[in-house]
Amino acid sequence: RKEVEQDPGPFNVPEGATVAFNCTYSNSASQSFFWYRQDCRKEPKLLMSVYSSGNEDGRFTAQLNRASQYISLLIRDSKLSDSATYLCVVNLYPNTGNQFYFGTGTSLTVIP
Amino acid sequence: ETGVTQTPRHLVMGMTNKKSLKCEQHLGHNAMYWYKQSAKKPLELMFVYNFKEQTENNSVPSRFSPECPNSSHLFLHLHTLQPEDSALYLCASSQVPPAETGYEQYFGPGTRLTVT
Repeated sequence: RKEVEQDPGPFNVPEGATVAFNCTYSNSASQSFFWYRQDCRKEPKLLMSVYSSGNEDGRFTAQLNRASQYISLLIRDSKLSDSATYLCVVNLYPNTGNQFYFGTGTSLTVIP
Repeated sequence: ETGVTQTPRHLVMGMTNKKSLKCEQHLGHNAMYWYKQSAKKPLELMFVYNFKEQTENNSVPSRFSPECPNSSHLFLHLHTLQPEDSALYLCASSQVPPAETGYEQYFGPGTRLTVT
């Protein structure tokens, strides 16, 4: 079973739409959670860390549900520049070795 | 220089060549990582170094040899590679244990490797 699972999409949404991505993780000992975005042929870049209480950064809202072991990312008022692949990432440190587990990514295309 | 830098950005090598990839982080972190990303595939963790000590080796073939001389520099030595090793090789760094700013991992721009 994969450590992190995401719906690969693709999600094609019009500008201004709200879109949500979900991600599930298999190990209940996971301690740290993140969303990264990766543009085509570029490196992943940190979008936001995900905290137990949920957190918001502008148009982006991340939620963590430890009981159900899933993480979500909500993007409001989508922009063309939001088109990218969104990666869900978890880490179990200090419960186990220092490894970041990446999902396969969810592809988003925002259409004019 | 800021963040994580990698050189070269592009590399074409034959199967009999020996080359090295270099990574340098300017963030004061103490953990560094090598990842491989093939076309249309997720990131694959190759090696992890905490405080210059290798802590993870995810069944990587011996034709890939990492070296971490200090907490700011990481190398990946390549020899007798195969065409299927063509990929984007990404270096990353983070802080262990988590710093006040968190535990996030920061990536370099990658080296796009083509093995002919």
